[in-house]
Amino acid sequence: DGGITQSPKYLFRKEGQNVTLSCEQNLNHDAMYWYRQDPGQGLRLIYYSQIVNDFQKGDIAEGYSVSREKKESFPLTVTSAQKNPTAFYLCASINGQGPYQPQHFGDGTRLSIL
Amino acid sequence: AQKVTQAQTEISVVEKEDVTLDCVYETRDTTYYLFWYKQPPSGELVFLIRRNSFDEQNEISGRYSWNFQKSTSSFNFTITASQVVDSAVYFCALSDTGGSYIPTFGRGTSLIVHP
Repeated sequence: DGGITQSPKYLFRKEGQNVTLSCEQNLNHDAMYWYRQDPGQGLRLIYYSQIVNDFQKGDIAEGYSVSREKKESFPLTVTSAQKNPTAFYLCASINGQGPYQPQHFGDGTRLSIL
Repeated sequence: AQKVTQAQTEISVVEKEDVTLDCVYETRDTTYYLFWYKQPPSGELVFLIRRNSFDEQNEISGRYSWNFQKSTSSFNFTITASQVVDSAVYFCALSDTGGSYIPTFGRGTSLIVHP
């Protein structure tokens, strides 16, 4: 079955450490997104990519970095510059482009500080 | 700029009650799309429905129904005869043609259905 796979499901970060969250999709979707979810805050966009080798900052990009070297992969790195990384991170993709397309989501990675 | 407001943070009902989740939106576009997603405890958001701004027909799918009213900028979601499996966080989202088609999500409504 096609879908989005996020790994790991749970991740712990030590002070000063960078960590990378994986997002892989086999849906052949062009656009991919990273969201951060905090309790009561809804979904906030971190980065998005509409084609390979191109990505754009979202609303809360500071302290995060991404790459899009392959169509199916969009890893997110949470750097030591992100001082409050504890949150639930969701990866999403869209088939094609246009505002009418619903997003497909992975089942998330929960990141905590050690 | 687009905005989605889900004023109900949490709703608690007893099984078999009907429940309505409110969604109010703001956009300057005349062409836009509204979505509802369900996030069960497992974490993955699941797409439920999409509506475009030119189609104000209400929709029913089993126990779920959606009421889209442009006059009040609302896109409300009703669950009839709620069940414990309906317990989840529900998100309303808006996508318009004004930018790069990035949807704006509301903050979500947590629905708890008690047996």
